[in-house]
Amino acid sequence: GQQVMQIPQYQHVQEGEDFTTYCNSSTTLSNIQWYKQRPGGHPVFLIQLVKSGEVKKQKRLTFQFGEAKKNSSLHITATQTTDVGTYFCAGRGTGFQKLVFGTGTRLLVSP
Amino acid sequence: GAVVSQHPSWVICKSGTSVKIECRSLDFQATTMFWYRQFPKQSLMLMATSNEGSKATYEQGVEKDKFLINHASLTLSTLTVTSAHPEDSSFYICSARAPEAHQETQYFGPGTRLLVL
Repeated sequence: GQQVMQIPQYQHVQEGEDFTTYCNSSTTLSNIQWYKQRPGGHPVFLIQLVKSGEVKKQKRLTFQFGEAKKNSSLHITATQTTDVGTYFCAGRGTGFQKLVFGTGTRLLVSP
Repeated sequence: GAVVSQHPSWVICKSGTSVKIECRSLDFQATTMFWYRQFPKQSLMLMATSNEGSKATYEQGVEKDKFLINHASLTLSTLTVTSAHPEDSSFYICSARAPEAHQETQYFGPGTRLLVL
């Protein structure tokens, strides 16, 4: 079945440093979504990418969808302590209704 | 924005009892809702897709008779964990797909933490 892996599993940065998480799918995706889950909370939708090579920005966050639509990345510039949480990508395969969540990357930001 | 609620937020029960979890879309109608399970520090695993007015579609390895899903209306889906055992202890999260024209956004409920003693 479709598998979605993320690296790294965990990253600890100092406030102000940049952070990137990478998402790789075993199959081609029709779209990819990114979610943030704070400790003890539930996933919150961040963004959806649909087009091959698409890049979207939300303030300090930059999201990219690979040309082959099998990978994606989330880059945070100048992290803040409020960025702490686990970031999940979630991909939907072509023709499938099901959204498959990645393994997640847990980000810890020290002040 | 679209809001999804879950009730209860916490459940502690004895082994062998059944627990019902409700998932409601508060300001929109959801023909499809999803039930996920999440173990500590792990990803979300889809358990089943709940379709209003029809039977739920369960993922491979999920026992239908163990996890009963009912989607009786466009705003309510319920998950009943029957004869719960300690291994059923987990964080259960529902989500509903909002009927937006250009996105297939899923809005998640706050989750229900189940502890079976």
